[in-house]
Amino acid sequence: DQQVKQNSPSLSVQEGRISILNCDYTNSMFDYFLWYKKYPAEGPTFLISISSIKDKNEDGRFTVFLNKSAKHLSLHIVPSQPGDSAVYFCAASDTNAGKSTFGDGTTLTVKP
Amino acid sequence: DAGVIQSPRHEVTEMGQEVTLRCKPISGHDYLFWYRQTMMRGLELLIYFNNNVPIDDSGMPEDRFSAKMPNASFSTLKIQPSEPRDSAVYFCASTQGNAKNIQYFGAGTRLSVL
Repeated sequence: DQQVKQNSPSLSVQEGRISILNCDYTNSMFDYFLWYKKYPAEGPTFLISISSIKDKNEDGRFTVFLNKSAKHLSLHIVPSQPGDSAVYFCAASDTNAGKSTFGDGTTLTVKP
Repeated sequence: DAGVIQSPRHEVTEMGQEVTLRCKPISGHDYLFWYRQTMMRGLELLIYFNNNVPIDDSGMPEDRFSAKMPNASFSTLKIQPSEPRDSAVYFCASTQGNAKNIQYFGAGTRLSVL
């Protein structure tokens, strides 16, 4: 049972346009959500997070939206840049279990 | 700080051999995680430690896998005997204070079992 799903394995966008990466979860106990970015031959690095008490968190070009009723979150990148090309992982955790559960990742390609 | 350090970066071994992966977490971090990344299963948590004590090893695939954390600055993941299906990238990560906090990952060990 995969509790965190990223249904789009890949996404391709033009430089300057918006990139929207989606993530769905099934466990209603999840109360903290994170996005990580991963370049080839490197480990994932933290990008942005959101607590379940919020519905939006913004950091520069990156915004994460949380829809608790739909158990859905999304990462918006505006404007997209070629350097944003990477694999993006969605992660979710709950206070009781402690550990984070990761999605399979979405490979973003930003074309110049 | 140098970040989370994993060794070796690449490991090629033959089926049946013992493999040991090593991790040095960030100094002061009290949580350490071992993950495996494959095309089929994505990034899956194998085991995590808090203050050197294993807390959850439900992700360890089978008894061939074992992990230890003898002190706060060192952990190992051992596979004995190794099998071709163990081929994957293994990541170590650490964090401080709470297991759900931001995790800092090492660069990973790419394991190939022939």
